[in-house]
Amino acid sequence: QAGLTQPPSVSKALGQTATLTCTGNSNNVGDQGASWLQQRPGHPPKLLSFRSTTRPSGISERFSASRSGNTVSLTITGLQPEDEADYYCSAWDRSLSVSVFGSGTKVIVL
Amino acid sequence: QVQLVESGGGVVQPGRSLRLSCAASGYTFSSFPMHWVRQAPGKGLEWVAVVSYDGSNKFYADSVKGRFTISRDASKNMLYLQMNSLRPEDTALYFCARDTDFDHWGPGTLVTVSS
Repeated sequence: QAGLTQPPSVSKALGQTATLTCTGNSNNVGDQGASWLQQRPGHPPKLLSFRSTTRPSGISERFSASRSGNTVSLTITGLQPEDEADYYCSAWDRSLSVSVFGSGTKVIVL
Repeated sequence: QVQLVESGGGVVQPGRSLRLSCAASGYTFSSFPMHWVRQAPGKGLEWVAVVSYDGSNKFYADSVKGRFTISRDASKNMLYLQMNSLRPEDTALYFCARDTDFDHWGPGTLVTVSS
């Protein structure tokens, strides 16, 4: 069961904007979109967005998500030290009837 | 508020069994599908299994199919993962998570498979 494709890491300076990508196929991301999760060291993951673009209540407006075809993107504006974490995308694959995760992107705030 | 708490982890020898539990509170448990997700030490997230809101549908990752069984008890607001024929590569922190979008997670319970 192949996962979703994410770059291993993204490094940006404090206050800058980071854009993370996640690529799947027409049976997963391209079908119902994807969710984004943030995981800080020693903590469980936290949902940042779902259905590709919807932000749960309590999540900072600095996090925004979008989708284009089989790729979803997460944009983090005004990077803060607390944004340093691993970010995962996830989607349901309708052809395999499984959930798939990306391999994760580590965001480093310089 | 929604709360999920896993339990049942521990150290177990290869080939043995273990049952994990996840206690849910703060919402209508029987209205949402539930997942198990694991994370090996220093690695990324790996989806394990999902059970539908009413327990009628269950799906598994290939890596655990035939060895693990997910179930739920609506009367107790509990989710379970029965793990049989455990292997060293099953060593991980096991999380339960709510809903299709994984909107709430427990803190996890650690399973170590080692002789």
